[in-house]
Amino acid sequence: NAGVTQTPKFRVLKTGQSMTLLCAQDMNHEYMYWYRQDPGMGLRLIHYSVGEGTTAKGEVPDGYNVSRLKKQNFLLGLESAAPSQTSVYFCASGQGTEAFFGQGTRLTVV
Amino acid sequence: GDSVTQMEGPVTLSEEAFLTINCTYTATGYPSLFWYVQYPGEGLQLLLKATKADDKGSNKGFEATYRKETTSFHLEKGSVQVSDSAVYFCAPQGGGSNYKLTFGKGTLLTVNP
Repeated sequence: NAGVTQTPKFRVLKTGQSMTLLCAQDMNHEYMYWYRQDPGMGLRLIHYSVGEGTTAKGEVPDGYNVSRLKKQNFLLGLESAAPSQTSVYFCASGQGTEAFFGQGTRLTVV
Repeated sequence: GDSVTQMEGPVTLSEEAFLTINCTYTATGYPSLFWYVQYPGEGLQLLLKATKADDKGSNKGFEATYRKETTSFHLEKGSVQVSDSAVYFCAPQGGGSNYKLTFGKGTLLTVNP
């Protein structure tokens, strides 16, 4: 039972590069979320989706884009990476009762 | 929007000590309330939850009671263990059509033998 799978687990980017983080869930959940976790800041919501084809902004959406073309996948894109986007990124999915989290992606932008 | 105020850490306790981590929230509507735990190097996982006023969530010796009148959901454990060392997050989840899950900043707990 895979649950929520994030790829990649680690990545180093140069400033200005682009990349996409992939989140896949096999629990048929409607809701999916992208968070970033920084020391002393807790978890901050970047974007979320309440169903296939829908997305919404969270607390810190600037510099990120998302897509939910398939129910099981939620992609987070960075078009032009900046050092301020160095963080640990977590994806989660849920059905309105509890959220299930991936193991995280550690992204460093140099 | 929804927000959470959580007791600031870090909290350091000796094994078998009593633990309280305070959490108060503001939310529109009538949220469900959750505590999540994050062990080192891992993602968050659900610890316990409560979905209506006066409900008590419990798991692994941890407890929290949904207090609507004080908008609080404090986490307690009577006797902590070294294996409880982790970061704990309080999270209200909005009801209705808005299922945003908002987290507090987290409280780092270290339990020493």
